[in-house]
Amino acid sequence: KNEVEQSPQNLTAQEGEFITINCSYSVGISALHWLQQHPGGGIVSLFMLSSGKKKHGRLIATINIQEKHSSLHITASHPRDSAVYICAVRTQGGSEKLVFGKGTKLTVNP
Amino acid sequence: DAGVTQSPTHLIKTRGQHVTLRCSPISGHKSVSWYQQVLGQGPQFIFQYYEKEERGRGNFPDRFSARQFPNYSSELNVNALLLGDSALYLCASSSALTSGSYEQYFGPGTRLTVT
Repeated sequence: KNEVEQSPQNLTAQEGEFITINCSYSVGISALHWLQQHPGGGIVSLFMLSSGKKKHGRLIATINIQEKHSSLHITASHPRDSAVYICAVRTQGGSEKLVFGKGTKLTVNP
Repeated sequence: DAGVTQSPTHLIKTRGQHVTLRCSPISGHKSVSWYQQVLGQGPQFIFQYYEKEERGRGNFPDRFSARQFPNYSSELNVNALLLGDSALYLCASSSALTSGSYEQYFGPGTRLTVT
């Protein structure tokens, strides 16, 4: 079992829909990241969370440390939101490496 | 201000050869991490360097090595290339080693194809 699990693996939505991507993890963490990866590979950091909730534009990220679960929400989705969304956790201690989920491929159709 | 840069962008090598990938962190960042992303998978941690010292190593064979230079740029070396080494290699930099609040900034990656 992977230390970081994301669901769903693939998600197709119509423009304007509300989208939720989930992330569960099984290790102790110091922070959780939500990342966006477009075709071609470049990764952009969307959020870094250690507790509570963060909002940036149409994106909202929440984390429940007790339940070891985080969600990324996109309101009023747009075709330009189409990308792979990756959850990554920074493990406690040592080098504090990032452990990544496999990603959720989001396609938003016009 | 320039972001994290990586070179080359793309690379094709033959089995058995070696390869050197390069990364320049954001100015002022002292920590560099390397990740391997095989097609369809999430990135996997390879190394972290901070202040020119290795601070973390992932589950990769000894064919993989890295170093960090006084200007905090870094090289990732892979010897005796295998077909399975074909992947996108990502470099990320951050300003601190152990802090709950630092961000990692990713470069565009180097796509390595081994034939």
